[in-house]
Amino acid sequence: EAGVAQSPRYKIIEKRQSVAFWCNPISGHATLYWYQQILGQGPKLLIQFQNNGVVDDSQLPKDRFSAERLKGVDSTLKIQPAKLEDSAVYLCASSPVGTSGNYEQFFGPGTRLTVL
Amino acid sequence: AQSVTQLDSQVPVFEEAPVELRCNYSSSVSVYLFWYVQYPNQGLQLLLKYLSGSTLVESINGFEAEFNKSQTSFHLRKPSVHISDTAEYFCAVSSMNTGFQKLVFGTGTRLLVSP
Repeated sequence: EAGVAQSPRYKIIEKRQSVAFWCNPISGHATLYWYQQILGQGPKLLIQFQNNGVVDDSQLPKDRFSAERLKGVDSTLKIQPAKLEDSAVYLCASSPVGTSGNYEQFFGPGTRLTVL
Repeated sequence: AQSVTQLDSQVPVFEEAPVELRCNYSSSVSVYLFWYVQYPNQGLQLLLKYLSGSTLVESINGFEAEFNKSQTSFHLRKPSVHISDTAEYFCAVSSMNTGFQKLVFGTGTRLLVSP
């Protein structure tokens, strides 16, 4: 079974530029998560989708970050414009969905963003 | 809300020595507890989890963690480490109300195993 795929793996941009990250979850996983992992910190949830609907985006800086999950499969996370403090690893995770909500999250390898 | 504290940012240890990675949590409700491992240039992988029942949980590669409710701790231990255990380890918590979906992670502990 293929894991969660993310691209690109690395991205370097200058501040005020735009950037987009792509995630392909495990086939059949209805729930998709985007996390931000700043150096020296644990992953922090940015947004959670169930199918193509947003479940939780309370920690997403909506003035510059946006995310979409068209057709309930792949997802893209965009930053526009980027700031220096956005330098981090952006992790995508997916899980099946069920009534109990107790399904393991499977993580992709992440995209390392450096903003200069 | 839940929070997790991992006091040790880095733990150096020699191969075949025992190791303990500390994790303390804070929550006003009952919780699930997790340890994730992140090898270089890879995503996080679930190492083990505590849901209920026996307070001692084990992984397939020799790690174990013990849930201590009175001390609000979930320390990770291994009696004899290998070079291949070098990685970053994250403790995470979620409330039983939200299940596995709302994970709150600690800041991580980097385990460095040397020959």
